Amino acid sequence: GNSVTQMEGPVTLSEEAFLTINCTYTATGYPSLFWYVQYPGEGLQLLLKATKADDKGSNKGFEATYRKETTSFHLEKGSVQVSDSAVYFCALTRSRDDKIIFGKGTRLHILP
Amino acid sequence: NAGVTQTPKFQVLKTGQSMTLQCAQDMNHNSMYWYRQDPGMGLRLIYYSASEGTTDKGEVPNGYNVSRLNKREFSLRLESAAPSQTSVYFCASRENRGTQETQYFGPGTRLLVL
Repeated sequence: GNSVTQMEGPVTLSEEAFLTINCTYTATGYPSLFWYVQYPGEGLQLLLKATKADDKGSNKGFEATYRKETTSFHLEKGSVQVSDSAVYFCALTRSRDDKIIFGKGTRLHILP
Repeated sequence: NAGVTQTPKFQVLKTGQSMTLQCAQDMNHNSMYWYRQDPGMGLRLIYYSASEGTTDKGEVPNGYNVSRLNKREFSLRLESAAPSQTSVYFCASRENRGTQETQYFGPGTRLLVL
């Protein structure tokens, strides 16, 4: 079946460090891929997305590239801030009519 | 636009009590979802509604019922609450026409069952 696997956390980094959160997926066809972010006490909100192979999604300094050959969608940021501390969820959907499947989330702590 | 709203924000129940979690969206979306979020488990889909008048079970439907009252509202009912239902509950909605695939989430309801 379709699934998303992301690295377990928590991930703890110092401010201005480089961030990578790994995400791999299993899906039939050509899914759309997403990263959602959940700040403390809030619901999830879309961070970025990519709808086809080799697309790069980007927002707020975060980037992720849809790699079909490695079935991956790793999240990266060149210089993290304390305000980036949150839980990050990788997700996929096979089509606009299908459910969105979420990974288990990765908690990120950024130390000042 | 308020987006997706949920009430209540917090609730404490005793085992065996019933309650209904309310969710409404003002984005004219067709699909609506209920999830629960537990530590280390990520998000688990309880029920969803692809359109007004239809509902389907998700991954963990036992102990819950839902009603898609109209296009805007999708409620989740616990008939006889159990401590295992202590969780944070999120409602979400999504437009599934055209190229719009993004899901929008409410702020959550924190439920404690004693």
